[in-house]
Amino acid sequence: KAGVTQTPRYLIKTRGQQVTLSCSPISGHRSVSWYQQTPGQGLQFLFEYFSETQRNKGNFPGRFSGRQFSNSRSEMNVSTLELGDSALYLCASRGETEQFFGPGTRLTVL
Amino acid sequence: GIQVEQSPPDLILQEGANSTLRCNFSDSVNNLQWFHQNPWGQLINLFYIPSGTKQNGRLSATTVATERYSLLYISSSQTTDSGVYFCAGGDYKLSFGAGTTVTVRA
Repeated sequence: KAGVTQTPRYLIKTRGQQVTLSCSPISGHRSVSWYQQTPGQGLQFLFEYFSETQRNKGNFPGRFSGRQFSNSRSEMNVSTLELGDSALYLCASRGETEQFFGPGTRLTVL
Repeated sequence: GIQVEQSPPDLILQEGANSTLRCNFSDSVNNLQWFHQNPWGQLINLFYIPSGTKQNGRLSATTVATERYSLLYISSSQTTDSGVYFCAGGDYKLSFGAGTTVTVRA
């Protein structure tokens, strides 16, 4: 089975711009979660989608949003980028219990 | 939310040494997992271990769910074991510890 894929792997944006990240889960997995990793805050949960519905959301501002498509692929969007949004964004695919992570997208905001 | 405490924060080992990493949870957790983060940032699954003991090569893990802790054992460490090790638990949302940075010297 193919693993979780994320695109792009690296992004450089400037403050005020917006960005869209993509995640394709493991075939058959319907749950996709997003996490942000920064040196200061560690790994933090952003949100989770299941069958095209956002089921759970972490404590992030409304600038962070996402969606899931009928094929379970998910996108997350960050609008009005701030310097503090520079981070590694990880997507996780979940089957029955265990979560599997993609390689991540490293976002740098200048 | 659940608080996850990992110890030690840093570990320096000589190649061939054994070590134990610990993870404490503030409350009972489901779906406890251990990960190794590679130099490129990807979290690699090591163990899914909500309870009991599992072994995979030189790595093994034990979770005592009733006491809310888990241990990861690395035996005969190699330089390729270097990196950051995370434990995490939860259902849809994994709560992560701060990680243990392991450096194995040749």
